[in-house]
Amino acid sequence: GQNIDQPTEMTATEGAIVQINCTYQTSGFNGLFWYQQHAGEAPTFLSYNVLDGLEEKGRFSSFLSRSKGYSYLLLKELQMKDSASYLCAVYNAGNNRKLIWGLGTSLAVNP
Amino acid sequence: KAGVTQTPRYLIKTRGQQVTLSCSPISGHRSVSWYQQTPGQGLQFLFEYFSETQRNKGNFPGRFSGRQFSNSRSEMNVSTLELGDSALYLCASSPSSGAGNTIYFGEGSWLTVV
Repeated sequence: GQNIDQPTEMTATEGAIVQINCTYQTSGFNGLFWYQQHAGEAPTFLSYNVLDGLEEKGRFSSFLSRSKGYSYLLLKELQMKDSASYLCAVYNAGNNRKLIWGLGTSLAVNP
Repeated sequence: KAGVTQTPRYLIKTRGQQVTLSCSPISGHRSVSWYQQTPGQGLQFLFEYFSETQRNKGNFPGRFSGRQFSNSRSEMNVSTLELGDSALYLCASSPSSGAGNTIYFGEGSWLTVV
């Protein structure tokens, strides 16, 4: 089957670092997306990892290990505006090119 | 560059009615996907259209249908509405269909069925 697991909720403090994990079991793998979704708004693209390793984009970094079926999103210097849901999605070209979505991790950043 | 535009943003319908939602993709994008989002189920793929042809379909009943026009604008229709159809319906566009294309979401249409 196809399955993506993410923690349901996380809490962190402003200025801190938080790591949001995503594990997947899929029949194939071509890439992994991270999206951010604020309450009542559209999901917005954060990153796309195809190869193993860490990719950094400002305060946000995304890591992928294909052999372990594992990814994480690292948020540094947390700000209140980072309070949102973070969605992990796996692209599997063999799955009729559909994206498989996790249920999302709701992150609350406290002052 | 304008983003993905969805209309209407909010609507309330009665069980048994039908609804049509509209999506205008980013200019130049030819692929349009539709998703249903609910708190318990997350993002569920409905269908994808590319160049007026349905490329992919999710596991939804036939009451859910869609189409794409020659200008890449898309509509989805839900007939015989049920209470469980209450959800946020998201449209997303990408330049083309296939591997690794980043998809860009619209603000969504909030549908409440009473």
